[in-house]
Amino acid sequence: NAGVTQTPKFQVLKTGQSMTLQCAQDMNHEYMSWYRQDPGMGLRLIHYSVGAGITDQGEVPNGYNVSRSTTEDFPLRLLSAAPSQTSVYFCASSDDFYNEQFFGPGTRLTVL
Amino acid sequence: AQTVTQSQPEMSVQEAETVTLSCTYDTSENNYYLFWYKQPPSRQMILVIRQEAYKQQNATENRFSVNFQKAAKSFSLKISDSQLGDTAMYFCALQTGANNLFFGTGTRLTVIP
Repeated sequence: NAGVTQTPKFQVLKTGQSMTLQCAQDMNHEYMSWYRQDPGMGLRLIHYSVGAGITDQGEVPNGYNVSRSTTEDFPLRLLSAAPSQTSVYFCASSDDFYNEQFFGPGTRLTVL
Repeated sequence: AQTVTQSQPEMSVQEAETVTLSCTYDTSENNYYLFWYKQPPSRQMILVIRQEAYKQQNATENRFSVNFQKAAKSFSLKISDSQLGDTAMYFCALQTGANNLFFGTGTRLTVIP
């Protein structure tokens, strides 16, 4: 099993550009989520999904969109990047949100 | 509101010694879960240990154990026989629902040879 994969590993954007961070898991997990990690802070939940076709907002959803068309994939879209979105982004999956979450390797995003 | 506080930004321990990382939390929920995650320099987040709030028995995983004090809302992590591979950031986390997972700010642990 590859576990949770994320692409790209690094990305630099200019303010106003859009992009999609990809996340995929091969463990047949229903629960997937996106977090951002900023210096001096813990991870903060952006969006999550409890199954295909079902998504909801987390603690810091503004500026981000998600969709879940398949069990395996959970992309995160930045529609108009802002410098405040400079961060490291982690995708995670689990078979239940109370169980262990398996994290991807992260994407370091810089918005200039 | 839920909060998680890790009051020790950095700690160090000699190899083979024991170290305890502190975590306090606040929640009005009765049913919740607590976690310790490890983030080594590779940046990969790895679960260390998990505690269910309704279980009084402290969770243990090999060299890792917790001291869960529900009334005091305290959830400390003890690492015994510290190894160089334990060098990492350690995050305490509280989960009270599908969209309610809160992380502390982390403790950077360095194991000294």
